[in-house]
Amino acid sequence: KNQVEQSPQSLIILEGKNCTLQCNYTVSPFSNLRWYKQDTGRGPVSLTIMTFSENTKSNGRYTATLDADTKQSSLHITASQLSDSASYICVVTPSRDAGNMLTFGGGTRLMVKP
Amino acid sequence: EAGVAQSPRYKIIEKRQSVAFWCNPISGHATLYWYQQILGQGPKLLIQFQNNGVVDDSQLPKDRFSAERLKGVDSTLKIQPAKLEDSAVYLCASSLDEEGWGYTFGSGTRLTVV
Repeated sequence: KNQVEQSPQSLIILEGKNCTLQCNYTVSPFSNLRWYKQDTGRGPVSLTIMTFSENTKSNGRYTATLDADTKQSSLHITASQLSDSASYICVVTPSRDAGNMLTFGGGTRLMVKP
Repeated sequence: EAGVAQSPRYKIIEKRQSVAFWCNPISGHATLYWYQQILGQGPKLLIQFQNNGVVDDSQLPKDRFSAERLKGVDSTLKIQPAKLEDSAVYLCASSLDEEGWGYTFGSGTRLTVV
């Protein structure tokens, strides 16, 4: 069964600090892995997307890494801001011959405090 | 590029009433998804369309939920009759194909059943 596990479930950090969110998956083979930011009550917004051959992808203060051998991805947020407070969701897309259902992690709820 | 449009943004109804949500995907996107996201949880796929055909509706509570995408473009999701536990954000997403390229979420419809 394809699964995506995220940790921690929730995280509180002070403004200006860095943090790293983890995503472990069992989806294999997979086509791509995405990180989304979701504000409460809003739709998720794409931060990064990586194929299985990519190791890292940056989007401003967000940097995602991918280790396809260990089936792990991380999202690193640098110099956090209050506006970073949101849920961060990891989504894995299986390759066509592994079934096409996108598999969602449960998300990490991040709160940035002043 | 226009994103995935959803309406209404918010809806409050009494239990046993009916409600409908509308989604207009990104132009040219063949695959359309409806998700239910209960507060604090990741999105749960309700139904996936490929053009106007249903690819997966295994998690759609068919006794009360229905969805259609008659012309392979816009889609509607209906709940009749609504229950208290249907309170959630209903997200629509679309992608170029079943592998999820160009995958984009709409802003969602927040439903409150009282």
